[in-house]
Amino acid sequence: EADIYQTPRYLVIGTGKKITLECSQTMGHDKMYWYQQDPGMELHLIHYSYGVNSTEKGDLSSESTVSRIRTEHFPLTLESARPSHTSQYLCASSDRVVGELFFGEGSRLTVL
Amino acid sequence: AQSVTQLGSHVSVSEGALVLLRCNYSSSVPPYLFWYVQYPNQGLQLLLKYTSAATLVKGINGFEAEFKKSETSFHLTKPSAHMSDAAEYFCALYTNAGKSTFGDGTTLTVKP
Repeated sequence: EADIYQTPRYLVIGTGKKITLECSQTMGHDKMYWYQQDPGMELHLIHYSYGVNSTEKGDLSSESTVSRIRTEHFPLTLESARPSHTSQYLCASSDRVVGELFFGEGSRLTVL
Repeated sequence: AQSVTQLGSHVSVSEGALVLLRCNYSSSVPPYLFWYVQYPNQGLQLLLKYTSAATLVKGINGFEAEFKKSETSFHLTKPSAHMSDAAEYFCALYTNAGKSTFGDGTTLTVKP
C-alpha cells in the first residue's frame, strides 16, 4: 500500500509537447525529491523541496521545473519535451530525522 | 563531501548461496545508512537502515547489514539467495545536511 503516488506510470509523447508528471504523498513529509533514472540504473537528483514554496535544483541539470504549492503535491513539468528527456522519473519524500526515503512507483517517459 | 561506493555493478549467485553486496561510504559526520531494493518497473523500497543504534541491522526478506565504522563499510548480506531476490540494490547515505547520496547500484542475478 503506497503512500506516495505518481501519475502517469507510462507516457509516450511527441517532441515539443508539454507534460506534467504528478506526485502526491499522504505522509505529511516536508521534504520531497525528483530523481531521474536512466537504464544504467544510477539515480540523479534533479529537484528537491524542503517545504511549501521551497524548490531547489539538484545535482543533475534538468530542463524541467517543479512547484510546491501544497505539502502533499510536488509536480514536475517539461514545457517542451525532447527525445533526450526519455527516462524514468522517480518521486520520493522523506521524514525529518533520519532521511529515510519513500518512493513512488515511477513515471516512465518516452519522447518520440 | 560525502560519497557512497558500491563495489561490483553486477553480482551473480546461485540459488541457496550467500549474497554479499558491498558498500563503502565517506562522510565527515556520522551518517545514517540505507539499503534500498528496486524491482523491474518499480520505485525503490527500503530494505534496512542504520541509524546509530545497533551496528548489525536486520531488514526485510532475510537481509541484514553490519555497520563497521573502522572500515567505513555497510555491506549487505543474506545467507541463502532466493530467485525472488533478483533485483537492483542501492546503498545510500544521509546526513543532517539534508540530502541523500546514492551508490551507483548493484544488479543481483540469482541462477537456479
